[in-house]
Amino acid sequence: AQKITQTQPGMFVQEKEAVTLDCTYDTSDQSYGLFWYKQPSSGEMIFLIYQGSYDEQNATEGRYSLNFQKARKSANLVISASQLGDSAMYFCAMRPQGGSEKLVFGKGTKLTVNP
Amino acid sequence: GEEVAQTPKHLVRGEGQKAKLYCAPIKGHSYVFWYQQVLKNEFKFLISFQNENVFDETGMPKERFSAKCLPNSPCSLEIQATKLEDSAVYFCASSHAGSINYGYTFGSGTRLTVV
Repeated sequence: AQKITQTQPGMFVQEKEAVTLDCTYDTSDQSYGLFWYKQPSSGEMIFLIYQGSYDEQNATEGRYSLNFQKARKSANLVISASQLGDSAMYFCAMRPQGGSEKLVFGKGTKLTVNP
Repeated sequence: GEEVAQTPKHLVRGEGQKAKLYCAPIKGHSYVFWYQQVLKNEFKFLISFQNENVFDETGMPKERFSAKCLPNSPCSLEIQATKLEDSAVYFCASSHAGSINYGYTFGSGTRLTVV
């Protein structure tokens, strides 16, 4: 069975600073994908970034990057130059091989960006 | 279209009443997933479909929950005899088949309040 652990229920960061949101995972699958989603207070789920288990380079999407350490089974999200609009819940999720499989989510981290 | 359309956005039911939620996946996406999110925290997987067929129903409380995806109709999730603990946001998502790096596209959710 797959499991995602997000150990930070809440995080605070000053505007324009970088922040790292932690995510560790547990799986026996060799091929899997890791995802981060943002959920603002309005409730919608916004896809941020994806990392495949066989990808050699860390994924980056604009101000988002994923610090993937396969041996440690960690997939931390780094947000650079935080903005007030980054205040939201952030969910780490994984999916075993195959587009048919369900995503397994962590419990989320609430990020607050202070002006 | 390029969005997953969920209706209604809000639904209020008295305890014991029936609730029916709808989801139109993105055209061409063969997998549909339903999740329950309580208090903006954990996502609980309910059921998934491959086209019209149930693919994985390991998360469904079968006594009161049922779901369908029929051809040329939105998918539906029905809760018979709702209970207070069914109050949650129900998300539908759809995805491409067969490839690990296809993330989900989420709908905006239906907020069910049982009073």
